[in-house]
Amino acid sequence: EDQVTQSPEALRLQEGESSSLNCSYTVSGLRGLFWYRQDPGKGPEFLFTLYSAGEEKEKERLKATLTKKESFLHITAPKPEDSATYLCAVQGPKAGTALIFGKGTTLSVSS
Amino acid sequence: DTAVSQTPKYLVTQMGNDKSIKCEQNLGHDTMYWYKQDSKKFLKIMFSYNNKELIINETVPNRFSPKSPDKAHLNLHINSLELGDSAVYFCASRGAGGSYEQYFGPGTRLTVT
Repeated sequence: EDQVTQSPEALRLQEGESSSLNCSYTVSGLRGLFWYRQDPGKGPEFLFTLYSAGEEKEKERLKATLTKKESFLHITAPKPEDSATYLCAVQGPKAGTALIFGKGTTLSVSS
Repeated sequence: DTAVSQTPKYLVTQMGNDKSIKCEQNLGHDTMYWYKQDSKKFLKIMFSYNNKELIINETVPNRFSPKSPDKAHLNLHINSLELGDSAVYFCASRGAGGSYEQYFGPGTRLTVT
C-alpha cells in the first residue's frame, strides 16, 4: 500500500537555526513527490515537485532533496514567517492522479 | 485573481440537512479534486474528475455526490449530514501534461451540530 510518513510531527526552532524535515515514502512507480506549505485556515500552497532520486530544488531558504526512499526539506536560517505546516505528498500509478499525503510537520520559528 | 476558489468559506448546519460546496478554477486545468482534511490535519482524496468525468471515487459514503457542470467547476453535494462529516474540504485542480502538481483552494470548514 502506498504510504507517506513525515517526521517529526512538530519542530520548534530559533530564528537562524537550520534544520531538516523528513518524508519517507512507499509507493510503486513514483511519478512525483511534492512539498506543500499550509498556513492555519488556508489551503496547501505548492512549493516543489521532485521526480527522480538525486534531484534537488531550492526556493529562498528552502531546499528539497529526494532519494529512492525519502525526501528532505532543508530549512536554512529560518525566519518566523517560515512557521507553517509542511506537507509531503506522492503520486504513484495505483492512486491514479490523486496525491497521497503525509500528516505533516508543524514548524514554529521564534525570534 | 484567485486560481481556485471555493464557497462558502464556513458552513455550519444541523445533522440531517443537505448542503453543497462550490468550487471554481480559472487555471484552464482538466482535472479537479475534492479532498477532506480531518481534525488531525490529514488530507485524503475523495473524488477526482477529468473533463467532467469521474476518475476516482474513494471509499466515501454515497451521501456525498460530486457534480461537474463543466471543466472549470466541481461542486460537492452532501445529503443527510452527520456529525462525522465535520471537517475542512479542499478543492484542487491539476493541468494536463507532464507536471502533476495540484493547486488547492482555500477550503470550506464544515461544522455539523
